[in-house]
Amino acid sequence: DQQVKQNSPSLSVQEGRISILNCDYTNSMFDYFLWYKKYPAEGPTFLISISSIKDKNEDGRFTVFLNKSAKHLSLHIVPSQPGDSAVYFCAANGGGSNYKLTFGKGTLLTVNP
Amino acid sequence: GEEVAQTPKHLVRGEGQKAKLYCAPIKGHSYVFWYQQVLKNEFKFLISFQNENVFDETGMPKERFSAKCLPNSPCSLEIQATKLEDSAVYFCASSQIAQETQYFGPGTRLLVL
Repeated sequence: DQQVKQNSPSLSVQEGRISILNCDYTNSMFDYFLWYKKYPAEGPTFLISISSIKDKNEDGRFTVFLNKSAKHLSLHIVPSQPGDSAVYFCAANGGGSNYKLTFGKGTLLTVNP
Repeated sequence: GEEVAQTPKHLVRGEGQKAKLYCAPIKGHSYVFWYQQVLKNEFKFLISFQNENVFDETGMPKERFSAKCLPNSPCSLEIQATKLEDSAVYFCASSQIAQETQYFGPGTRLLVL
């Protein structure tokens, strides 16, 4: 039973355009959501997070949107750059007294020059 | 330190041998989490610590896996009698507060032959 889903295994975008990565979750107890970027043979690098009390958080070129009623979040990258090419993971924090992260399976973003 | 450090980077063991992995959390972080990444993109939570105390061990295969975080020492994850299916990348993460952002180390790639 996958509680965090990233339904697009891959996404290809032109440099300078917007990249939109999507994530759905099923567990209403999740109250903190994070996006990580991962290059091969490296650990996940934290990008941006959002608490369930907010619907938007912005940091430079990265914006995360949360729609609690739809149990959906998205990461917008604008403008996209070739260095953004990596696997992006959506993760959710269990909430309550359970703080383990539950991850989606990732989306491979390729930004073409 | 400013980053989560993990050693060794790579570890090769024959089936049945012991494997021991180490993690030094970011200085000042009280929480340490261990995750296993198998099949390239699936992260599985193993165990977490609050300082030297086990916080959540619901993901640990108890028969062969054990972990410790002792004062003034790196945390460790030990696998007794490794099996082929233990081949994976093991990531350690740390956080200042349990419910907030977890920062990941570069991982230890374990190969069991």
